[in-house]
Order: sequence, then C-alpha cells, then structure tokens
Amino acid sequence: EVQLVQSGAEVKKPGESLKISCKGSGYSFTTYWIGWVRQMPAKGLEWMGVIYPGDSDIRYSPSFQGQVTISADKSINTAYLQWSSLKASDTAMYYCVRHRRGRYMSDAFDIWGQGTMVTVSS
Amino acid sequence: EIVLTQSPGTLSLSPGERATLSCRASQSVSSSYLAWYQQKPGQAPRLLIFGASSRATGIPDRFSGSGSGTDFTLTISRLEPEDFAVYYCQQYGSLPLTFGGGTKVEIK
Repeated sequence: EVQLVQSGAEVKKPGESLKISCKGSGYSFTTYWIGWVRQMPAKGLEWMGVIYPGDSDIRYSPSFQGQVTISADKSINTAYLQWSSLKASDTAMYYCVRHRRGRYMSDAFDIWGQGTMVTVSS
Repeated sequence: EIVLTQSPGTLSLSPGERATLSCRASQSVSSSYLAWYQQKPGQAPRLLIFGASSRATGIPDRFSGSGSGTDFTLTISRLEPEDFAVYYCQQYGSLPLTFGGGTKVEIK
C-alpha cells in the first residue's frame, strides 16, 4: 500500500524550533515529488513547497520562503519540514503530499499524509 | 500567482440532488492542470479530479469535472450522504501552486 505517515502532534512555545517528518512507503520514494500543505484552524489549504528526494531539488512558495526549511533523507524515505523559531501564527495542521506522476512537479497530489497538528502557545 | 475563486461558498442541497461547484482562475491555467479535492471533517483531503476532467483512482462516476482556461466546474450528479464535505480546486500549472478557498456542500 502506498502511504505517507507523518509524525505526531506537537505543542511548542513561541521561539522554539521544530522538525516534523513524513515517511513514504510502498513506492519508490526518490522518484516522486513530496510537498507540504498548511491548513490553519477552520481555514483552507495553502501550498508551502516541494522537494524531489532523488536530487533534493526544492521549490518554495513565496509566502513561506525563509520561514520554513524543507529537506529529505532518501536513505530512510523521509521528508521533513522545519522551523527555527516558531510563532503563534504557525499553529496549523500540516500535510505532506505526493505528486501523482513522479518526476512531474506540475501534477496533482494523489497521496496525503494523515497530517501533523502543530500548536504554538505560550 | 494564479488566484482561484470558488463559488458558492456554501451549497445547501438534499441527498439525490445535483451539485455544481465553480472555480474561476485569475489567469489561464496551463494545460488544464486543475484538480479537485474533497475534505471531510477531521480527515486529510482526497484527490477527486485531475487534469480538469479525469477521475482519480476509485472515485465514483457521479463526480465529473469540466472546463478549461479560467473557468472550471465540478459536478456531483446525485448527492450521496457521504458527499457532504468541503471541496477545493487547485491549479498546478504554474508556481506557486494555489488552492481555491473551498465550497462547503451541506445537507439542506
């Protein structure tokens, strides 16, 4: 079964750092783009950025460039999203997603992780 | 950046009725790279339609997509109880990838 399994919910304080993960299984992890999508409480979906684990080619949304870092470790089929200094406004559900046709970045998201809820509160 | 505007914001219908959801883009979506997703409360979104009109694996044929350029439509021919949810369109033809604000289909 093709799936993306994300790390568990996090509760952090403003200014703390955080790295959440997304592990792919059931397919060739290095040959599909993996992206991240934010959903703030009771709000819509926002694309944050994407990585191609095969060569670590990364693209960011201008809205998130400089705010987060996307990375991947292909030896363990895992992608990451990290923050160096969290803000209360980072409170949201974060989903990792797989692009449908492998090397094509211009594609729909056919597999979604279950989501990681990040709560930032003092 | 391509801005996607979905309408209506909320659609109140009864089971068995037809639902028509609209997604309008601020500029042409290249190669009809337009997708639709369904999200139910407490769940991750699910891909319904890609390429404006192709159903994803396992999606019932009561869901259909149409359109090109700047105007796209998702139609649910006869609403089943499990179809009441929020629906998002997304363009993936140009960076940054963008989503519409969503249409909630609720039980009347």
